[in-house]
Amino acid sequence: GQQLNQSPQSMFIQEGEDVSMNCTSSSIFNTWLWYKQDPGEGPVLLIALYKAGELTSNGRLTAQFGITRKDSFLNISASIPSDVGIYFCAGFTGTASKLTFGTGTRLQVTL
Amino acid sequence: DTAVSQTPKYLVTQMGNDKSIKCEQNLGHDTMYWYKQDSKKFLKIMFSYNNKELIINETVPNRFSPKSPDKAHLNLHINSLELGDSAVYFCASSQQGQNNQPQHFGDGTRLSIL
Repeated sequence: GQQLNQSPQSMFIQEGEDVSMNCTSSSIFNTWLWYKQDPGEGPVLLIALYKAGELTSNGRLTAQFGITRKDSFLNISASIPSDVGIYFCAGFTGTASKLTFGTGTRLQVTL
Repeated sequence: DTAVSQTPKYLVTQMGNDKSIKCEQNLGHDTMYWYKQDSKKFLKIMFSYNNKELIINETVPNRFSPKSPDKAHLNLHINSLELGDSAVYFCASSQQGQNNQPQHFGDGTRLSIL
């Protein structure tokens, strides 16, 4: 089946720094989603992307749907301690298809 | 005002027992899902129901049996629990439509098998 590889696997950054992470696949996706999971909770939707090239922001978060439709990127600007968590990309390859999740990027923010 | 709620949040039981996890959503969605998250945090879909009908059934052992009494509820019954069943199980829901709609997740049920 499809696999979504996220990088980096984990990152330690200082408060105030900007963060970039990406998600790549060998298959074409027609929808990309970015979720954040805090400890002890379920994934929460951050951003949804529906068109190749689309760039969408949600506060300090910006995500892009890659032109090749095989990748997506998430940036967080001016990180704060509550940004700590695991960030997952997820995608659909067609309508009414299964949602495939990435391997996750674990973000730690130090003061 | 919880959107997707699962019970129980924690479940500790012995190998060989049978247990159920319940899920309810008040978002008016017509599709519900069960996911399994392993110790490495990898999320994998198990089942999906649309308007009470099973539409996705991954290669899950038949000890796992989902039941959807109505479109707002999707329960998961597990027979003869095994050590490898220890994981976090997440329920999710979405509105099926022309475009792929994001799924909304519950807070998970942490299942530990002794």
